[in-house]
Amino acid sequence: GENVEQHPSTLSVQEGDSAVIKCTYSDSASNYFPWYKQELGKRPQLIIDIRSNVGEKKDQRIAVTLNKTAKHFSLHITETQPEDSAVYFCAASHGNNRLAFGKGNQVVVIP
Amino acid sequence: DAGVIQSPRHEVTEMGQEVTLRCKPISGHNSLFWYRQTMMRGLELLIYFNNNVPIDDSGMPEDRFSAKMPNASFSTLKIQPSEPRDSAVYFCASSQSGGVYEQYFGPGTRLTVT
Repeated sequence: GENVEQHPSTLSVQEGDSAVIKCTYSDSASNYFPWYKQELGKRPQLIIDIRSNVGEKKDQRIAVTLNKTAKHFSLHITETQPEDSAVYFCAASHGNNRLAFGKGNQVVVIP
Repeated sequence: DAGVIQSPRHEVTEMGQEVTLRCKPISGHNSLFWYRQTMMRGLELLIYFNNNVPIDDSGMPEDRFSAKMPNASFSTLKIQPSEPRDSAVYFCASSQSGGVYEQYFGPGTRLTVT
């Protein structure tokens, strides 16, 4: 089955700095890669996604890059703010419409 | 749209009792997913349905867990008998079918089994 791993497990950054989280996946057939943000006590919510026909996608302060050859994709958050503090989950498509999730990264933005 | 609706939001029960979690997906979404979230294991897919039919239940931990989707707007996840190790947050999510699309999560049910 699909195996998705995230690194690092915890990331602390100073407010205003950039944060980068990397995910690796194992199934070369995966073609959809979303990132979800989960604030404490809340539900996971999609913040950005990318499909395998593109290498990069940007939405304001967040961007995702995909390297299909190396089977990894990364989330980039620029100009971090305290409200960016959360757990971020990456996922990769697995089969028809399943998603395999990583275990999550705790991002802490220090004011 | 109200989004994915789950009930109850919190459930505290004693070991051995039956627990039923409920989910109403977003109208028009034909795929429904049940996840369990714990600190140790993260987000685990338990089972998913396409057009009310269970497609993959390989994530269901054991026979104590069962799930049904009697119609397009309602699904249940039942644990009988419950055990302390079942304590977790259970999320229901829905998405369009016919490919891989964004999954919309419900608010979750926090289950505590004492």
